[in-house]
Amino acid sequence: GENVEQHPSTLSVQEGDSAVIKCTYSDSASNYFPWYKQELGKRPQLIIDIRSNVGEKKDQRIAVTLNKTAKHFSLHITETQPEDSAVYFCAANTGGFKTIFGAGTRLFVKA
Amino acid sequence: EPEVTQTPSHQVTQMGQEVILRCVPISNHLYFYWYRQILGQKVEFLVSFYNNEISEKSEIFDDQFSVERPDGSNFTLKIRSTKLEDSAMYFCATRDEFDTEAFFGQGTRLTVV
Repeated sequence: GENVEQHPSTLSVQEGDSAVIKCTYSDSASNYFPWYKQELGKRPQLIIDIRSNVGEKKDQRIAVTLNKTAKHFSLHITETQPEDSAVYFCAANTGGFKTIFGAGTRLFVKA
Repeated sequence: EPEVTQTPSHQVTQMGQEVILRCVPISNHLYFYWYRQILGQKVEFLVSFYNNEISEKSEIFDDQFSVERPDGSNFTLKIRSTKLEDSAMYFCATRDEFDTEAFFGQGTRLTVV
């Protein structure tokens, strides 16, 4: 079935450094790729998304890249801050009516 | 800002009992979803609902589960004969277009004892 692999599972960076989270998807029909941030005990909240007709998108300190050929997409956070600490989930809308989530990356930003 | 609201926020139930989790979607949204998140694990797709019928469902969504829109506004998830392993956070999500942001409710924490 459809699958989304996410790496790393845990990422620890120093405040001000960059963080990169990588995902791959299996369903070539996937056309929409959201990234969610989930703080402890809270709901997932969208931070950025990208559609399959775009290779890169940026919003302030956050950027996402998509390589459709490789079925690979990545989240880049620059100038990390302690409040960026959370669990980040990539996801792929498989072209049907469901969105499959990656396993999550727990990001720690050390002050 | 419009929000997806879920009730109750926490439900404790005896094993074998039935529970109904409720969601009020954002008013102009057409696509509805239920997801499950076991503590510390990833968000798992359960079911999608569009045009008053199930569009897709996962392997998790077996005969124990059902969804409906009983009154055109609420969107419910019913779990029959709950098991211990059904304990999780259940999120409702809704969107207005097919490839746009899905807004999540705050979740219902289900504890089966």
